[in-house]
Amino acid sequence: AQSVTQLDSQVPVFEEAPVELRCNYSSSVSVYLFWYVQYPNQGLQLLLKYLSGSTLVESINGFEAEFNKSQTSFHLRKPSVHISDTAEYFCAVSEGGTGKLIFGQGTTLQVKP
Amino acid sequence: DGGITQSPKYLFRKEGQNVTLSCEQNLNHDAMYWYRQDPGQGLRLIYYSQIVNDFQKGDIAEGYSVSREKKESFPLTVTSAQKNPTAFYLCATESGANVLTFGAGSRLTVL
Repeated sequence: AQSVTQLDSQVPVFEEAPVELRCNYSSSVSVYLFWYVQYPNQGLQLLLKYLSGSTLVESINGFEAEFNKSQTSFHLRKPSVHISDTAEYFCAVSEGGTGKLIFGQGTTLQVKP
Repeated sequence: DGGITQSPKYLFRKEGQNVTLSCEQNLNHDAMYWYRQDPGQGLRLIYYSQIVNDFQKGDIAEGYSVSREKKESFPLTVTSAQKNPTAFYLCATESGANVLTFGAGSRLTVL
């Protein structure tokens, strides 16, 4: 069965520092990979996705993630974080065909001034 | 504006009562999903529907029921058989390529 592991439950970081949120998945078939962001008491918003093609994908607000098939990873990075990036981040995987995403446990990014 | 509306945003229930959470969408998406979110556990799939008048159980369907009589609506009933219903419930639609759009959620608390 598919599974997604987010290796850190909380990541504290100072403003303007770089950050990496780690995500590993297990699957024996081709997958689609996603990062979602959730602000307090709100639904999830799509941050970025990997469906095919270039293994490096970027979002409009400076985040990027790289699909590494050999390491079955899809880590999320940002070179310089802002206070407004404080939120919970979820990695998710789908084997395609339906929207039945398997989510990781979530990583809370805490950006400190 | 197109989107997903979940109601109520907050709901309190006494033990033994059934409650129904509403999910309405005007995105014209065929597939709809219900997820449950608990702290530290991510999101778990309760039910999903890929077309009107059809739905499938997810990973944690016990104690829940759904209907899909209209394309726009996918209500979730939390029954008294659900032993630990206090959670944040999220409805989503699929726009293609497995991309989900989520509603703002409904927070259910059992008193």
